Amino acid sequence: AAGVIQSPRHLIKEKRETATLKCYPIPRHDTVYWYQQGPGQDPQFLISFYEKMQSDKGSIPDRFSAQQFSDYHSELNMSSLELGDSALYFCASSRRGDSGGRNIQYFGAGTRLSVL
Amino acid sequence: GENVEQHPSTLSVQEGDSAVIKCTYSDSASNYFPWYKQELGKRPQLIIDIRSNVGEKKDQRIAVTLNKTAKHFSLHITETQPEDSAVYFCAASERDSSYKLIFGSGTRLLVRP
Repeated sequence: AAGVIQSPRHLIKEKRETATLKCYPIPRHDTVYWYQQGPGQDPQFLISFYEKMQSDKGSIPDRFSAQQFSDYHSELNMSSLELGDSALYFCASSRRGDSGGRNIQYFGAGTRLSVL
Repeated sequence: GENVEQHPSTLSVQEGDSAVIKCTYSDSASNYFPWYKQELGKRPQLIIDIRSNVGEKKDQRIAVTLNKTAKHFSLHITETQPEDSAVYFCAASERDSSYKLIFGSGTRLLVRP
């Protein structure tokens, strides 16, 4: 079965550079979530989109922005990168109403961002 | 907003023993509670979940219990195996919002052969 696809898998950037992370949700899924996971920490919710509209916003810095496109893929844009942005970035997707309303989130393999 | 606390942070058990991980949540509006298993550097994978209208759910060696009144839920793993070694995260989600997941801080489970 198709899973959530994230690219790139690894990304190395310098401070103050920009980065773009991409997420392709499971086909027919209408919701995308972005999470940031620092070393030894739990995933922290950044932002979500439902049917191409932003549905919620968490602890996402103003330097970050995201959108969901007409084909439902999503991109997380990160500017003025800081050392503290080094983390694993996960995208998850779900489909509302599936699985008896449990709205199960399936995670991609993540993008490991290293800021030097 | 929602806050999820998870204990213990590390748990070491002998193969074949049981393991129990406990979580508490703060927002009574939360109504969906999944558990994810994450191996080092890998994606979180759903292992079991429970909705607030159910008190207990079991899937082979894994079970989850929920006490809505006390706002706590627990993961029970029986007959542990070395391949159960991983970090386990509990989470809470509110169906009437964006369904975002608020995670606990994680439990590193080590199953000794």
